[in-house]
Amino acid sequence: AQSVSQHNHHVILSEAASLELGCNYSYGGTVNLFWYVQYPGQHLQLLLKYFSGDPLVKGIKGFEAEFIKSKFSFNLRKPSVQWSDTAEYFCAALPSGGSYIPTFGRGTSLIVHP
Amino acid sequence: DTGVSQNPRHKITKRGQNVTFRCDPISEHNRLYWYRQTLGQGPEFLTYFQNEAQLEKSRLLSDRFSAERPKGSFSTLEIQRTEQGDSAMYLCATRDRMNTEAFFGQGTRLTVV
Repeated sequence: AQSVSQHNHHVILSEAASLELGCNYSYGGTVNLFWYVQYPGQHLQLLLKYFSGDPLVKGIKGFEAEFIKSKFSFNLRKPSVQWSDTAEYFCAALPSGGSYIPTFGRGTSLIVHP
Repeated sequence: DTGVSQNPRHKITKRGQNVTFRCDPISEHNRLYWYRQTLGQGPEFLTYFQNEAQLEKSRLLSDRFSAERPKGSFSTLEIQRTEQGDSAMYLCATRDRMNTEAFFGQGTRLTVV
């Protein structure tokens, strides 16, 4: 069964610091990858997604992620975080073909101090 | 507003009671998922519908849980004889035919006392 691992469960940063959140997936075939964000009291919403092509994907609010197939990784980055980036971040994987069920990691709680 | 609507937003029930949640998907989204999320965890898959057909069920889904999606539109998730361990946020998500990302509702927070 496929699984998604997020290594950092809690991250605390000061504004303007750089961010990198790790995500690894276990699935041997072609996979679609996502990062979702959940701001306090709000629903899960998509930050960015990777289906094919350029492994460096740019999303909303200055976030980007890099797909490294050899490492089964899809890490999320932002060069300079803001207080408003405080949220839960979830990585998800969806195999191409077969099961159409997205699998989520356990999430990373990010707190950004002003 | 994502367009996926879940009701109720909050539900407090006594142990042993039955509860039912509703999800109204974005129109024309033929794939619908139910997930459960507990504190400090990511969404855990419960069940999946493609149109009206329930195609997958997680082993997490005990026989006290049942889900329906009549006519491939809205979906309901019923939990019978609730237990304290059922306390969680129940999330509904939908996707369209083009295999794009899932859109989530606000969730229903269930508290079993």
